[in-house]
Amino acid sequence: AQKITQTQPGMFVQEKEAVTLDCTYDTSDPSYGLFWYKQPSSGEMIFLIYQGSYDQQNATEGRYSLNFQKARKSANLVISASQLGDSAMYFCAMREGPGTYKYIFGTGTRLKVLA
Amino acid sequence: DTAVSQTPKYLVTQMGNDKSIKCEQNLGHDTMYWYKQDSKKFLKIMFSYNNKELIINETVPNRFSPKSPDKAHLNLHINSLELGDSAVYFCASSPPRSPYNEQFFGPGTRLTVL
Repeated sequence: AQKITQTQPGMFVQEKEAVTLDCTYDTSDPSYGLFWYKQPSSGEMIFLIYQGSYDQQNATEGRYSLNFQKARKSANLVISASQLGDSAMYFCAMREGPGTYKYIFGTGTRLKVLA
Repeated sequence: DTAVSQTPKYLVTQMGNDKSIKCEQNLGHDTMYWYKQDSKKFLKIMFSYNNKELIINETVPNRFSPKSPDKAHLNLHINSLELGDSAVYFCASSPPRSPYNEQFFGPGTRLTVL
């Protein structure tokens, strides 16, 4: 069963506007971590933001914030004030555990920022 | 200093050849991984080692064999390369046994099999 679902294969956003990239997850483990990575056209995987299952507040890192809705099992990435350099693939990932080593990735969303 | 490094960055080879990709991390992590990213950008985990012990071995052809000489290194050897092996291979590392730590990725190795 798919544990991480990203339903938006591609998104467009106008420069300087905010955009939300969707991610839903499925787990029965009460302890888990959720991550977002950016992969620009140059190919490297860049860690953006993390949310722990027990965190009470939504994570924020600069222009990135994570809209964590635990009951709905969603962990959407919000990018504020989009920049041209935000054009990239974005991956949502989850790690269950403390006893597991595996990170599970979604299929990604390709974001294009328009000038 | 590069946290996770991979060599080579590009690898072009003929079908049937044997090749290796090397990975090193200087983060002191115990756990290292190999991923394959296909042309559709899907990231598939292949292997993971924790302290030189194989802990994840996904369904991959036997032609792929990982080797971890120490916890800072994880190499990937591929025998009898096939066209379908063309992909980007990422090495990654993470602290062990905690869901609260992100993975650190290497720059990737783009393998092209002709």
